[in-house]
Amino acid sequence: AQSVTQPDIHITVSEGASLELRCNYSYGATPYLFWYVQSPGQGLQLLLKYFSGDTLVQGIKGFEAEFKRSQSSFNLRKPSVHWSDAAEYFCAVVGAYNQGGKLIFGQGTELSVKP
Amino acid sequence: EPEVTQTPSHQVTQMGQEVILRCVPISNHLYFYWYRQILGQKVEFLVSFYNNEISEKSEIFDDQFSVERPDGSNFTLKIRSTKLEDSAMYFCASSKDSPSTDTQYFGPGTRLTVL
Repeated sequence: AQSVTQPDIHITVSEGASLELRCNYSYGATPYLFWYVQSPGQGLQLLLKYFSGDTLVQGIKGFEAEFKRSQSSFNLRKPSVHWSDAAEYFCAVVGAYNQGGKLIFGQGTELSVKP
Repeated sequence: EPEVTQTPSHQVTQMGQEVILRCVPISNHLYFYWYRQILGQKVEFLVSFYNNEISEKSEIFDDQFSVERPDGSNFTLKIRSTKLEDSAMYFCASSKDSPSTDTQYFGPGTRLTVL
């Protein structure tokens, strides 16, 4: 079955510390992978995406993610977290040839930032 | 930067009533989607729409649901007879090109409360 797993429901990091949010997927076909962020009262904002090519992708706000096919993972990283990064983060996958565009989401990881 | 907008931000309705949730996709986008997120659960795909037809729908999208692009700028989701379990945040999204090649951009959501 197609699924996305984000093992960490809630993570707390200190401001300035590094961050890694985990994402594992199960998808039979070639996957396209995304990370979205949701701040309170806001919609889902795209952080970055992987379609093909370089497996290390850069996104907005200093985030990056690495696609590892052998581990079925697409973990999100940031070297130094800012207080404004506190939000909920969603990993999502869609099939490369899925014309319907059904995004499958993980359950989200809520990030808290300590001063 | 163009954004997807949704109205209303919060809708309260009585069980059995019809509701229409409205979305204005990004103006040059051709593919449209609805997702929902029940409190504490994952974001779930409902339906995708292209060229005035449904491209794909989930098992959630039963006969109580319908979508329409009534006037070339709005994209609506109608729930004919709301149930308590329809209470959720509903997100509209759009993409310019096929979802197999392009990113879906999300609106801020409409929170639907069914009493």
